[in-house]
Amino acid sequence: GAGVSQSPSNKVTEKGKDVELRCDPISGHTALYWYRQSLGQGLEFLIYFQGNSAPDKSGLPSDRFSAERTGGSVSTLTIQRTQQEDSAVYLCASSLSANSPLHFGNGTRLTVT
Amino acid sequence: DAKTTQPNSMESNEEEPVHLPCNHSTISGTDYIHWYRQLPSQGPEYVIHGLTSNVNNRMASLAIAEDRKSSTLILHRATLRDAAVYYCILDPFYGGSQGNLIFGKGTKLSVKP
Repeated sequence: GAGVSQSPSNKVTEKGKDVELRCDPISGHTALYWYRQSLGQGLEFLIYFQGNSAPDKSGLPSDRFSAERTGGSVSTLTIQRTQQEDSAVYLCASSLSANSPLHFGNGTRLTVT
Repeated sequence: DAKTTQPNSMESNEEEPVHLPCNHSTISGTDYIHWYRQLPSQGPEYVIHGLTSNVNNRMASLAIAEDRKSSTLILHRATLRDAAVYYCILDPFYGGSQGNLIFGKGTKLSVKP
């Protein structure tokens, strides 16, 4: 079946521009996660959605970062006024429920020039 | 947040067993032990998880120490396709931020033909 889909797969943007990254989770999965991974590093938690509960935003690095999940399905991660340090691979994952195994997409590689 | 410690890298020969260790001395009684792996240019992939008892699935086996302060992921016969970064993480079952699964840098496994 279809896995987690992320788009675009690659994004190059100029410093100061806004970007939107999209995640289509597996149908029926109630939990959705965003992580980012800088070159050669582990995964850094950004935000977590679980059902209709308020999202856990504790990992967002600054107020330039925001995310929403519409209708309990598709999620969009928005980065405003991008900086060079925002360059990384942004990974989305979904799971059937809290504490179920995560299914990751292949990520969006963001490059800020 | 409970953390894990893994060796930075390990090497194995093809078709030999591989034992990947993980220390989690601050694990709480309700933390599940999860293993994921990440192949180059892909998102992480779920491998196996357990709580107290050893677990087996088609991909690997998970051996959990009696005091739960360490665990070992066992690949019974390594193949070249098993070359990846392996992450051991703790998933709290109750309370806290269930989404904030802390991925460290993992163990980079190299498999030699």
